[in-house]
Amino acid sequence: GENVEQHPSTLSVQEGDSAVIKCTYSDSASNYFPWYKQELGKGPQLIIDIRSNVGEKKDQRIAVTLNKTAKHFSLHITETQPEDSAVYFCALGTGGGNKLTFGTGTQLKVEL
Amino acid sequence: DAGVIQSPRHEVTEMGQEVTLRCKPISGHDYLFWYRQTMMRGLELLIYFNNNVPIDDSGMPEDRFSAKMPNASFSTLKIQPSEPRDSAVYFCASSSQGRDQPQHFGDGTRLSIL
Repeated sequence: GENVEQHPSTLSVQEGDSAVIKCTYSDSASNYFPWYKQELGKGPQLIIDIRSNVGEKKDQRIAVTLNKTAKHFSLHITETQPEDSAVYFCALGTGGGNKLTFGTGTQLKVEL
Repeated sequence: DAGVIQSPRHEVTEMGQEVTLRCKPISGHDYLFWYRQTMMRGLELLIYFNNNVPIDDSGMPEDRFSAKMPNASFSTLKIQPSEPRDSAVYFCASSSQGRDQPQHFGDGTRLSIL
């Protein structure tokens, strides 16, 4: 099946700094790239998504970039705040029944 | 708007017992997904339904696991008999019809099998 690699597995930044998480994939048929945030004791929540016909999408402090040629996409969080601390998952959709393949997650810690 | 609702939130039971997890998807959503999350294996898709029909159950680990969706607003995941290695957080998610629609997750059931 489809495989997605996510890096880094842990990321620690100072409040106000930027954080970047990257995912790479192999199936060129992938055309939907959502990002989820999971807080302790909660289910993953969609924070932003991008489709293959777009190279970049931004929503306030969060942005996602997609490079279909290189088969990687990244989550960018600017001006990080303590409430951004959580586990972030990238995912891939290949259009087959809305199935998603998830990355292994990145534990982001924003330190004061 | 009500999100995906799962019950119970926590379940502790002894091995060998039957466990039933429940899910109510978002109204109007046509897809329902069951996932299992563990530290070792991450987030795994177990089974998903479209319009109440199971489409892909290749992720169901063993015959001890079964899932049903008797109507558009309710699904169950059963484990019988349960084993300690089934201990995990089980999530239900739903999405609307259409290509590449986002999935919306419930807050999960934390299952501990003693």
